[in-house]
Amino acid sequence: QVQLQESGPGLVKPSETLSLTCVVSGYSITSDYYWGWVRQPPGKGLEWIGNINHSGNTYYNSSLKSRVTMSVDTSRNQFSLKLTSVTASDTAVYYCAGAGYWGRGALVTVSS
Amino acid sequence: EIVLTQSPGTLSLSPGERATLSCRASQSVSSRYLAWYQQKPGQAPRLLIYGVSSRATGIPDRFSGSGSGTDFTLTINRLEPEDFAVYYCQQSSTSPTWTFGQGTKVEIK
Repeated sequence: QVQLQESGPGLVKPSETLSLTCVVSGYSITSDYYWGWVRQPPGKGLEWIGNINHSGNTYYNSSLKSRVTMSVDTSRNQFSLKLTSVTASDTAVYYCAGAGYWGRGALVTVSS
Repeated sequence: EIVLTQSPGTLSLSPGERATLSCRASQSVSSRYLAWYQQKPGQAPRLLIYGVSSRATGIPDRFSGSGSGTDFTLTINRLEPEDFAVYYCQQSSTSPTWTFGQGTKVEIK
C-alpha cells in the first residue's frame, strides 16, 4: 500500500522558514516520476509549488521560485520542502504527491 | 504557462442526475497528461481520471473523462450521495510542472 506522509511544524512565525518532509512508503522514490508539493489555502483551490525527481532535478512555480527549495533523500525514500520568508498568505494545507498518490496534508499556519 | 479554466464554478444537481464538468486549457494539452481529482472537505484530492479517460484504481465506471486539445470533460452518470464534492482538473503536459483548474463544486440541489 502506497502512503505519503507529511511532517513538520504546524506553526511558523512570519519571516521565518517553513520546512516540511514527505516520507514515501510502498513505492520507490527512485521510480521515473516527479514528486511534488501542492498547497491549499483555507477555502481556496490547489496551488502547485514544485516538483523534484530522484536525481534532484527541480521545477518550481514561478510565483514562488525565489523562496522555494526542494531536496530529495533517496536513502530514506523522502523529499523535502523549504519555503523562506513566509507571511500569513502562506498559511495553507501542504500536500506532497506523486505517481497519482497524495499525502493527507499538513496544515501550516504562519502567525506570531 | 498553461492556464486551466473550469466551468461551471458550482453545479447544483440531485442524486441520480448526470454531472458534466468542463476544463478548458489556454493551449493544447497532451492527452497523456490531463487528470481529474475529487476532493471532499478535510480530505486530500483523490485521483479519478488520468490520461483524459483512464479511470484510476477503484474508481466506479459512472465516472468518465473525454476530450482533446484544449477542451476536456468529466462526466458523472447517476450521481451518488458520495459524489458531491469539489473536482479539479490538472495538466502536466509541460511536464514536470503541474497546473490545476480552479475547481467545480458539485452540490446537492
